[in-house]
Amino acid sequence: NAGVMQNPRHLVRRRGQEARLRCSPMKGHSHVYWYRQLPEEGLKFMVYLQKENIIDESGMPKERFSAEFPKEGPSILRIQQVVRGDSAAYFCASSPSRGGGGPLHFGNGTRLTVT
Amino acid sequence: GQQLNQSPQSMFIQEGEDVSMNCTSSSIFNTWLWYKQDPGEGPVLLIALYKAGELTSNGRLTAQFGITRKDSFLNISASIPSDVGIYFCAGQRRETSGSRLTFGEGTQLTVNP
Repeated sequence: NAGVMQNPRHLVRRRGQEARLRCSPMKGHSHVYWYRQLPEEGLKFMVYLQKENIIDESGMPKERFSAEFPKEGPSILRIQQVVRGDSAAYFCASSPSRGGGGPLHFGNGTRLTVT
Repeated sequence: GQQLNQSPQSMFIQEGEDVSMNCTSSSIFNTWLWYKQDPGEGPVLLIALYKAGELTSNGRLTAQFGITRKDSFLNISASIPSDVGIYFCAGQRRETSGSRLTFGEGTQLTVNP
């Protein structure tokens, strides 16, 4: 997992607060993917971004969730007005391929707990 | 969305035994990948398969890309305690955006010393 950096590792929020999850891709990677993992389940795709562009957000809830990958700085997954059901591990991955299709390298995730 | 059926859900084996797990899909994938996830960590890539029929090894791990492109299996030979973890298959389709993966639900492996 070396290279894809996510922070914070653990995040606790009360219902109604905002959660911001950050991801810095591996050096030289310009494709970022966010996945969500509920306990005892596999990873579910949320959103795919390139620098300054959202390419595919078909897995992300339409309300309260947003993602960005600015020209400078990390990718941000933002969850507004969090609810208990948002509690999960959120993983970021990056890809080296210019056209897509390369293997994904994952970070160690942010574990969000909503109380 | 697409579903990957991964089995078994869990396995309890003795150290030294061989392990086999597999994934099947109702649709074709162009790439199959196998990841391992340890508690509190992210998935780590074990093996990537790019061609139907391809058989690839990584140490004690061997994986095959099914000829129909709808399935893959992973074998672990002579298991050791550090093989404990959750193993995920993942499929990738060329038509989908970028490197987006569809994951199976995982196989939890426990190795008794």
